[in-house]
Amino acid sequence: KNEVEQSPQNLTAQEGEFITINCSYSVGISALHWLQQHPGGGIVSLFMLSSGKKKHGRLIATINIQEKHSSLHITASHPRDSAVYICAVPPMKTSYDKVIFGPGTSLSVIP
Amino acid sequence: GAVVSQHPSWVICKSGTSVKIECRSLDFQATTMFWYRQFPKQSLMLMATSNEGSKATYEQGVEKDKFLINHASLTLSTLTVTSAHPEDSSFYICSAKVAGKETQYFGPGTRLLVL
Repeated sequence: KNEVEQSPQNLTAQEGEFITINCSYSVGISALHWLQQHPGGGIVSLFMLSSGKKKHGRLIATINIQEKHSSLHITASHPRDSAVYICAVPPMKTSYDKVIFGPGTSLSVIP
Repeated sequence: GAVVSQHPSWVICKSGTSVKIECRSLDFQATTMFWYRQFPKQSLMLMATSNEGSKATYEQGVEKDKFLINHASLTLSTLTVTSAHPEDSSFYICSAKVAGKETQYFGPGTRLLVL
């Protein structure tokens, strides 16, 4: 079993749809990152959260530390949201800096 | 916000040559920089962690003599792929962080193609 799992693996949505991407992990963590990787490869850090919920524009990230689960929501999705979304966790028991990446969720938003 | 740049963004080289990739933190001092590699349709894999002024720590399975990392200053780390082979073709990404801070800032990546 992978230490960080994401679902779905691939997602196609119509423009305007509400999108949810899930991340579950099996290691103890202090924080979780959500990253966005564009088709060209560049990575943007969307959120870093350790509890509750964070919102930035149309993006919302939630985390439940007890359940070891996080979700990334996109409201009113747009074709420019098409990218791979990756959750990443730095496990507490090893060096804090060694981030474990999830496999990514490839999102395609169709006009 | 904090910006990390990489140079070059694209490099094509012949097999057997060496390629140097630079990672710079533009507006902050990065005490730690990380180098990742990503093969097509795969997740990022940590190659090594480098702290300014000290030797890099390599992950298991990463050849330190092949992937030379230098972190000579708080704003620059370099990754040199020595005697590159076609199987080294990949997307190389660096990230940087400040001591005591949790957030890592990612560079845009360098795509290496070895012919």
